Amino acid sequence: EAQVTQNPRYLITVTGKKLTVTCSQNMNHEYMSWYRQDPGLGLRQIYYSMNVEVTDKGDVPEGYKVSRKEKRNFPLILESPSPNQTSLYFCASSTLRDGEAFFGQGTRLTVV
Amino acid sequence: AQSVTQLDSHVSVSEGTPVLLRCNYSSSYSPSLFWYVQHPNKGLQLLLKYTSAATLVKGINGFEAEFKKSETSFHLTKPSAHMSDAAEYFCVVSQYGNKLVFGAGTILRVKS
Repeated sequence: EAQVTQNPRYLITVTGKKLTVTCSQNMNHEYMSWYRQDPGLGLRQIYYSMNVEVTDKGDVPEGYKVSRKEKRNFPLILESPSPNQTSLYFCASSTLRDGEAFFGQGTRLTVV
Repeated sequence: AQSVTQLDSHVSVSEGTPVLLRCNYSSSYSPSLFWYVQHPNKGLQLLLKYTSAATLVKGINGFEAEFKKSETSFHLTKPSAHMSDAAEYFCVVSQYGNKLVFGAGTILRVKS
């Protein structure tokens, strides 16, 4: 089954404790991206990657890092989480041909 | 720059009556447009997409949308609402490569 898998689904952490949210897709898509969803703001892009070792900032990249060492994986790293990063995070993948994106189930992160 | 405006943050309809969710977009070039749905505590599911073919696009679960370039609109409709349609709906534009720009979302409530 074609899918994007994120882990964990839920995470509560403390300010400053580094964490990683994993994302994996099995569709051989070139393009992967991370979004955060906040009430009334829709989804906003954090980082994206057009292929292995090619990453770039989205609209709200501050406080986040990503890597793309393999085509299928695109982890999101928060080196020093802060409470304003409490949000619902989605990973997505798509081909470079069109913008139709497949989304993971989401990771609800709470930073206290 | 691309942008999307969903004109209603909340829409309430009775079961069996028509649904209209309004979306206006701003784009310098011919965009790709999408509607995604998010049920509570779920990921995002693609309802339909417009990619410069037919201006009337049919999607899943009886939804359709019409691309009107002169009005820069892409409104989502359904002839008869069902209880299971209660969810949040996002209008999305993709212009440059695969970057998606989301509207703020419309929460659809269906009354019995």
